[in-house]
Parts: sequence; structure tokens; C-alpha cells
Amino acid sequence: AQSVTQLGSHVSVSEGALVLLRCNYSSSVPPYLFWYVQYPNQGLQLLLKYTTGATLVKGINGFEAEFKKSETSFHLTKPSAHMSDAAEYFCAVERGYQKVTFGTGTKLQVIP
Amino acid sequence: DTAVSQTPKYLVTQMGNDKSIKCEQNLGHDTMYWYKQDSKKFLKIMFSYNNKELIINETVPNRFSPKSPDKAHLNLHINSLELGDSAVYFCASSQRQSPEEKLFFGSGTQLSVL
Repeated sequence: AQSVTQLGSHVSVSEGALVLLRCNYSSSVPPYLFWYVQYPNQGLQLLLKYTTGATLVKGINGFEAEFKKSETSFHLTKPSAHMSDAAEYFCAVERGYQKVTFGTGTKLQVIP
Repeated sequence: DTAVSQTPKYLVTQMGNDKSIKCEQNLGHDTMYWYKQDSKKFLKIMFSYNNKELIINETVPNRFSPKSPDKAHLNLHINSLELGDSAVYFCASSQRQSPEEKLFFGSGTQLSVL
């Protein structure tokens, strides 16, 4: 079975500060891992994904995530938060053929 | 142009009614999905269709019936609506039936059952 845990349903950072959103997964096989972002009143958009190869994955809008197998983690980071980054972020793991399991989301607030 | 569009955006209805949510994608994708997002933001897959063929049917009451007239459309029909059906429903699509394919989501339909 595969599951996803996102630590912290709400995270607040100051504009310009480091963004760190945590995601841990459990998987019986090497997983595919994803981060999606949901802006208000919109559907989810893919930020980045890890399938195979390099464990540090770069995505859109300056975000990146590192797959750490030993820690079963896939934390999302951005060096400097921007006001436009305020949104809800979902970590996800491929749960088998086309079955993507999402975490419960972390709402990011960026304080001016 | 909207890639994945679903209508209506908001749907308010009484218990026991039957309602439909429509979804269309203009991306030429082979695979379409329905996801349900509950009040706790938990997003769960309901159905997946590939080229009009049902691939995934998670544990969903049979009051929910997806219909795919062609590969660009996947509609969701719900019979005898219940209070617990209140949620946001997202349609999505992907290029192929592959685990690493990117999902493209519609903007959601907020269903409120009174």
C-alpha cells in the first residue's frame, strides 16, 4: 500500500524567506512522486515530478524537491517566497497503474 | 483556450435529486479521470477512462455513473444525491495511460447537497 503524509496543513512564511513544505510517503516499490499546486478556484497544476534518475527535481516557478529514499521524503522547497506562491500544495504518489494518491494538502501563506 | 473544462462550476441541489457534471478536454488526451475532493482537502480518484473504456473504478457507490461518449468527454452522473456527496469534483486528463503522465485538471465543480 502507498500513502502520503504532508506535515502541517498551514505554513506561513515571510516574503523572501525559504519555503519548505514537507512530504513523506510509504511505498512498497520505488514510487513516482509529484507536487501539485492549487490556486484559489482553480484545478491542480503539476509543479514537478520524480520518476527515475536525478533525485533533485526542478519544477516551475523556482520550486524544487529532493527524493530521499532513506528518509522516504520528497520535501518541496523554494529559496525565496513570492506573494504569488500563496496557494495550496499537494504531494502525491503513484499508487499503482494510474492511481495517484494525494496528501491532504498544505496551505502556504506568504506574509508581506 | 481552456484545456480541461467542466460545467457547472457550482451546483446546489436537494437530497434525492439526480444531477450531472460535464467534462471536456481539448488536449487530444487518451485518458480522463474524475476525482473527489472532500472538505478536508483529501483528493481521491473515482474513475479513469482510456479511449472511452473504463479502467479504474474505485470504491464508489453505484449511484455514480461515468459516461464517456468520446475520448474528449467524460461526464459524471449522480443519482439520488446524498448529503455526503457534497464536495468538489475535479475532472482531469492525461496524454496516455502511463503512471508518469502529467495530469491536467479542470477548475472543479463545487457540489452542495442540501
